[in-house]
Amino acid sequence: DGGITQSPKYLFRKEGQNVTLSCEQNLNHDAMYWYRQDPGQGLRLIYYSQIVNDFQKGDIAEGYSVSREKKESFPLTVTSAQKNPTAFYLCASSAKGFGNQPQHFGDGTRLSIL
Amino acid sequence: AQSVSQHNHHVILSEAASLELGCNYSYGGTVNLFWYVQYPGQHLQLLLKYFSGDPLVKGIKGFEAEFIKSKFSFNLRKPSVQWSDTAEYFCAVRGSGGYNKLIFGAGTRLAVHP
Repeated sequence: DGGITQSPKYLFRKEGQNVTLSCEQNLNHDAMYWYRQDPGQGLRLIYYSQIVNDFQKGDIAEGYSVSREKKESFPLTVTSAQKNPTAFYLCASSAKGFGNQPQHFGDGTRLSIL
Repeated sequence: AQSVSQHNHHVILSEAASLELGCNYSYGGTVNLFWYVQYPGQHLQLLLKYFSGDPLVKGIKGFEAEFIKSKFSFNLRKPSVQWSDTAEYFCAVRGSGGYNKLIFGAGTRLAVHP
């Protein structure tokens, strides 16, 4: 079955440490997205990518970095510059070129600070 | 800036009660509207969407939503809820800015008691 796989499910970060969240999709979607979900705030867009080797900042990109070297992969690095990283991170994808295509979501990664 | 407002953060209902969750957005142009649902322990799933045409759209599991352009609203309704509808519901809007960028509301947690 096609879908989006996020790993790990739970992740712990020490102070000053960078951590990388994995997102892989086999839906052949061109566009991929990273969101952060906090209680009472819904989902906020961190980064998105419409095509391989290209990505754009979302609304809350500070303290995060991404890469898009392959169509199926869009890893997110939470850097030490992100002072409040504890959150639930969701990866999504959608077909490119059709603006009304809905996004498909992964199961998420919950990041906590040790 | 575009924004989405969901007025009810927590809703508690008994089974068979009727449901209406409010969603208002701020954007003056053409919009695509979505409702997503997140069941406990599961990933976000698309419940229904509106792009054009009949402003009353039907989704999965007996849900429907009505787009009222003059009120900038896209309220979600279900005539008779079930215990299995317990979940968090997110309204999302896609306006201009391209790249299928979605703006999410803060979410509404629905608890249905047997």
